[in-house]
Amino acid sequence: DIQMTQSPSTLSASVGDRVTITCRASQSISSWLAWYQQKPGKAPKLLIYKASSLESGVPSRFSGSGSGTEFTLTISSLQPDDFATYYCQQYNSYSPVTFGPGTKVDIK
Amino acid sequence: QVQLQESGPGLVKPSQTLSLTCTVSGGSISSGSYYWSWIRQPAGKGLEWIGRIYTSGSTNYNPSLKSRVTISVDTSKNQFSLKLSSVTAADTAVYYCAREEGATPYWGQGTLVTVSS
Repeated sequence: DIQMTQSPSTLSASVGDRVTITCRASQSISSWLAWYQQKPGKAPKLLIYKASSLESGVPSRFSGSGSGTEFTLTISSLQPDDFATYYCQQYNSYSPVTFGPGTKVDIK
Repeated sequence: QVQLQESGPGLVKPSQTLSLTCTVSGGSISSGSYYWSWIRQPAGKGLEWIGRIYTSGSTNYNPSLKSRVTISVDTSKNQFSLKLSSVTAADTAVYYCAREEGATPYWGQGTLVTVSS
């Protein structure tokens, strides 16, 4: 299986900050990577697919980059609604789907 | 807009079989090239992909759960189902059904299943 890691596990930030979360895959997944935002008691919400494509309706302050084994999610200017946990997910068609362990973004 | 809704018992005894159903609305489960998936999340922990079924009926499972999991589809009812056998307390989690189309844009709201005697 392809293992996913994320860093940091927790991130404390203020409104207006630029925030970057890193996700690494144990082997190349090309660009088959998605990012999700999850708030307590809610299902995950898709933000980014295919590493850098913004899901419809998602604010443009969210962006994704990377390919192969290293990926980043950037929030250009953190808003109050963005305090949540973020997960990366690989969906390489030759392997079972796997998620990263998550990054919690909380208020500094 | 497709919507998914999980249903099933919220309490299952150890060693028994967990059974959940996902009802799909807003579109036919047999149309399009989609995978219909189950994902779970223990309280305070991360997401674990359980497996999926394609519209053709072919399945893929998480290797760590494969021996205990069966996912099936009932196109006449626009539903797909999860069965997880020989459950233990470690299977206590919120269970989500979802539609995969590469990434996973559509999720049910989730249902909590507790394994306890």
